[in-house]
Amino acid sequence: QLQLQESGPGLVKPSETLSLTCTVSGGSIRRSSYYWGWIRQPPGRGLEWLGSFYYTGTTHYNPSLKTRVTISIDMSNNQFSLKLGSVTAADTAVYYCARHVPDSLTGSFGVNNYFDPWGQGTLVTVSS
Amino acid sequence: YELTQPPSVSVSPGQTASITCSGDALPQQYAYWYQQKPGQAPVVVIYKDNERPSGIPGRFSGSSSGTTVTLTISGVLTEDEADYYCQSADSSGTYQVFGGGTKLTVL
Repeated sequence: QLQLQESGPGLVKPSETLSLTCTVSGGSIRRSSYYWGWIRQPPGRGLEWLGSFYYTGTTHYNPSLKTRVTISIDMSNNQFSLKLGSVTAADTAVYYCARHVPDSLTGSFGVNNYFDPWGQGTLVTVSS
Repeated sequence: YELTQPPSVSVSPGQTASITCSGDALPQQYAYWYQQKPGQAPVVVIYKDNERPSGIPGRFSGSSSGTTVTLTISGVLTEDEADYYCQSADSSGTYQVFGGGTKLTVL
């Protein structure tokens, strides 16, 4: 059974870079037909997709965050990572990693994509 | 691009709950529904508008009509009290979008 687990600092100072890692078990990131993504949820609010990564290096980012987000992969450890730069209090949220399932007919990122399963999430607070 | 959901829906146990999600790009693509209970990660309950993953009870169903998709929970149980989110992509398939979420209260 595929499982994902987020890890990283729970507190980040304003203007610094938030860094999180997602460890995947029960399946390989490499040579799979799936993307791997990050989603966040500010306290008491809704879900926001941040970006997704394919093991070949293809990445897709939320246009509203594109200049600050980087997703990368560590295939040797079956992990993928999120970096969010120049954080402010507005970036305080629970951050989830998830397997990003592409269109079942085309295998493409875009329409008819969804996220399953998700990690349990990790709360990151931006504060001095 | 936005997906619009009602902020809240209330039903009594045993009744039917309907949660809508509206978006201009929905006629051209499938929508997906997630259930999120307090302190837990979201779980897919409906995919491709109306298909149910294994392990999801049969009382969960989905439908689509034009720019609106609907999640229906028949014979609601108290354990169905949760937040529900719809998800799709923008019309050009550039980015993934979630609805604002609907809090289902089972009175």
